[in-house]
Amino acid sequence: KQEVTQIPAALSVPEGENLVLNCSFTDSAIYNLQWFRQDPGKGLTSLLLIQSSQREQTSGRLNASLDKSSGRSTLYIAASQPGDSATYLCAVERGGYNKLIFGAGTRLAVHP
Amino acid sequence: NAGVTQTPKFQVLKTGQSMTLQCAQDMNHNSMYWYRQDPGMGLRLIYYSASEGTTDKGEVPNGYNVSRLNKREFSLRLESAAPSQTSVYFCASSEAGEAFFGPGTRLTVL
Repeated sequence: KQEVTQIPAALSVPEGENLVLNCSFTDSAIYNLQWFRQDPGKGLTSLLLIQSSQREQTSGRLNASLDKSSGRSTLYIAASQPGDSATYLCAVERGGYNKLIFGAGTRLAVHP
Repeated sequence: NAGVTQTPKFQVLKTGQSMTLQCAQDMNHNSMYWYRQDPGMGLRLIYYSASEGTTDKGEVPNGYNVSRLNKREFSLRLESAAPSQTSVYFCASSEAGEAFFGPGTRLTVL
């Protein structure tokens, strides 16, 4: 059974720091991996999608990498800002039809 | 372009009552999903629909039914609500491997 783990569960950093969020999965036979952001009381916003043939994706200050053989993905946030404060979720797709299996998330707080 | 919309935003039910959560997407996606989110457990798939006219069970389907009314709409029904179904429910649609989520319905069952 595919399990997705995110470490750390919570993170508090001062503004301006570069940081790394980790996501690991137990079954390397995945199709895609997607990173989401969730603000309190809100829905999920897609940040980055890494398809199975890709190793990384970049969007602005965000960079996500995927290493299927080791079962790991990292989300790198450069020059963090208070507006980055949110919960970050990774999800892997296995078995087709874009059915996603989620990690529990990393709750990030960036303080001025 | 509204993306994925859900109604209602909030709902309180008594044990045994029934209700239907509505979801619609305007992105012409084939696949649609219902997830529930509980503290400490992340999101779990309840049901999904790979295309209009088809539905399949996800990880936690017990106590729920779904209807893919057309390509745009995918509803989730609780026939006899139980306190264990207190949760936040999210609808999603996807295309080319990327999923898009609605704002959620916060359901409390007393």
